[in-house]
Amino acid sequence: QVQLEESGGGVVQPGTSLRLSCAASGFILRDYAIHWVRQAPGKGLEWVTVISYDGSNKKYAEFVKGRFTISRDNTNNTVDLLLTSLRLEDTALYYCVRRPQAYGLDVWGRGTMVTVSS
Amino acid sequence: SLELTQPSAVSVSPGQTARITCSGDALLNLYTYWYQQKPGQAPILLIYKDVQRPSGIPERFSGSTSGTTATLTISGVRAEDEADYYCQLADSSGIYVFGTGTTVSVL
Repeated sequence: QVQLEESGGGVVQPGTSLRLSCAASGFILRDYAIHWVRQAPGKGLEWVTVISYDGSNKKYAEFVKGRFTISRDNTNNTVDLLLTSLRLEDTALYYCVRRPQAYGLDVWGRGTMVTVSS
Repeated sequence: SLELTQPSAVSVSPGQTARITCSGDALLNLYTYWYQQKPGQAPILLIYKDVQRPSGIPERFSGSTSGTTATLTISGVRAEDEADYYCQLADSSGIYVFGTGTTVSVL
């Protein structure tokens, strides 16, 4: 079964860091670009970042401002998202999402919740 | 700019047609994608490249574009179509953006 599973979320204080991880099963991760999309409680979807299939190309949303770093390990079929300098407004459910070439965001994980609170 | 505007809510009776618009200057030259999200669930891809429907998506969902506006049409709306709907695009540099989202209520 094709699926993505996020982990690493939790409750943290402002200014601290957190590493999220996305594990793929049922397909070969290295064949796909992987995105992270977040959703604050009761709000809409917000795109965060993408990493190309081989890790050579990364893009970030403007609000990231150098605080987040995406990486991947195709050998272990995982993609990580390092969140640093966390702010209250980073509180959200973070989804890991697959995107085949010339297609939409077709496989979504269930998300991992990040809560930034003092 | 990469901004996509959607109506916040659309109400429709069962069996009728719902149309959800997505407006933005960037839509003139870029593909639109549509997603459905039901409460407590992850989004699912409904439409890609303006008009293409992934396998398994019912034919009552269709996409179209005209100028700077994309439209998701749900024909013969069912109670199960009650959900939030989001449009999305990706610019030529690989930056993605989602629309503001539309809540569809089936009366």
